[in-house]
Amino acid sequence: AQTVTQSQPEMSVQEAETVTLSCTYDTSENNYYLFWYKQPPSRQMILVIRQEAYKQQNATENRFSVNFQKAAKSFSLKISDSQLGDTAMYFCALSWSNAGKSTFGDGTTLTVKP
Amino acid sequence: GAGVSQSPSNKVTEKGKDVELRCDPISGHTALYWYRQSLGQGLEFLIYFQGNSAPDKSGLPSDRFSAERTGGSVSTLTIQRTQQEDSAVYLCASSPRGGRTEAFFGQGTRLTVV
Repeated sequence: AQTVTQSQPEMSVQEAETVTLSCTYDTSENNYYLFWYKQPPSRQMILVIRQEAYKQQNATENRFSVNFQKAAKSFSLKISDSQLGDTAMYFCALSWSNAGKSTFGDGTTLTVKP
Repeated sequence: GAGVSQSPSNKVTEKGKDVELRCDPISGHTALYWYRQSLGQGLEFLIYFQGNSAPDKSGLPSDRFSAERTGGSVSTLTIQRTQQEDSAVYLCASSPRGGRTEAFFGQGTRLTVV
């Protein structure tokens, strides 16, 4: 069975500061993929960043980067220079090559304060 | 189309009535997913389509729930004899190649059973 755990239900950060959201997972697959999705109050879920498990290099997308620790099965998201528009619920997700569905964590609600 | 389209965006129904939720995926996406999200909670997987077939429908909560996909495109999720516990946001997503690629989500249908 595949599981994804987000241990921080809620977090807050001051505008322009850096915040890290935690995610741990468990899978018996060797070839898998990890994602962070953002769901703002408008409800539209969008991809933030994607990491392929066979790649050692951490993925980066502008202000968003991950710290992927394969041995520890950890996949945290770092948001630098936080902006008010980053306020949203963030979901960590896991899938693998032969699977259809992704397994999602319970989410972390992030509030960026002015 | 430009993105995943779901209709209706909101649905209020009386307990015991049947409802149909529609999802129009991105053209060319072979994989289609239905998830359910209760207020402020994570995503609960319902069913996965690859083309018109459903290799994984393990998440359907009861036999009151069914889904179909026709022409490798539009999908309909049907809930019969709705119950108050069915109230949630129903999210549809599609992806080009299943688990290896990101899922593109619709804005969801908020179902309220009164």
